Amino acid sequence: DGGITQSPKYLFRKEGQNVTLSCEQNLNHDAMYWYRQDPGQGLRLIYYSQIVNDFQKGDIAEGYSVSREKKESFPLTVTSAQKNPTAFYLCASSMYRDNGELFFGEGSRLTVL
Amino acid sequence: GENVEQHPSTLSVQEGDSAVIKCTYSDSASNYFPWYKQELGKRPQLIIDIRSNVGEKKDQRIAVTLNKTAKHFSLHITETQPEDSAVYFCAASRGTSYGKLTFGQGTILTVHP
Repeated sequence: DGGITQSPKYLFRKEGQNVTLSCEQNLNHDAMYWYRQDPGQGLRLIYYSQIVNDFQKGDIAEGYSVSREKKESFPLTVTSAQKNPTAFYLCASSMYRDNGELFFGEGSRLTVL
Repeated sequence: GENVEQHPSTLSVQEGDSAVIKCTYSDSASNYFPWYKQELGKRPQLIIDIRSNVGEKKDQRIAVTLNKTAKHFSLHITETQPEDSAVYFCAASRGTSYGKLTFGQGTILTVHP
C-alpha cells in the first residue's frame, strides 16, 4: 500500500524538550516537505528537500531542523528554540517536476505542556 | 515572497446550492494554483488545479477560474452535497517551486442537508 506514513499521530512533550516527528514515503518521490497547520492560518512551509542530503528552509524554519539521509525518510525535529510548538504537522511528498501534486501524510499533533 | 489571501473563512450553504471561494495572490510570477480539500480528521487532497495559461477548468461539479491580471482565482462548487463539507485551501507557486506552495488560510464549508 503506497503512501506517506507519519508517526506518532499524537505526541505530548514538556516545554524545553526536543521532539522528532517521523515521515516515511514509499511513493519513490524525490521531494518531501514539512508543513505546519494552525487554525485560521492555512499550511505554512517549514522545510523542504528536493534530493537526498539536501534541504532548504521554508517560511517558518526557526526552531526546527530536518535531515534527508534516505530518499524515503524526512524526519522533523522540533527543538526547544521553537517558541510555539503546539500544532498539527503535515509531511508531504511530490515527484521531482514542476508543480507536482502534493501527497500528504495523516499528520502528527504535537502538544507541548 | 508570495502571499495568498482566502475568503470567506467560513461558508454555510444548503444542499443543492452553489459555493464560491475566492483567493488573491501577490506574486505575479506565480503560475500554478491548486485547491486542496481536507475533510475532518483527514489529510489534505488535491481536488483541482489550474495553470496560468488557461482561464477556467472544470471537473464535474467543481470548477476553478483564474484572472491573472487581477491576480485572483476562485473555486466554484455546484449542486453541493453534505459530503462536500470540509476545509478548502487554495495555494499558489511558481513553475520551478515543485511543492513549495503558499497556502491561503482555508475556508470551512458546511453543507446543510
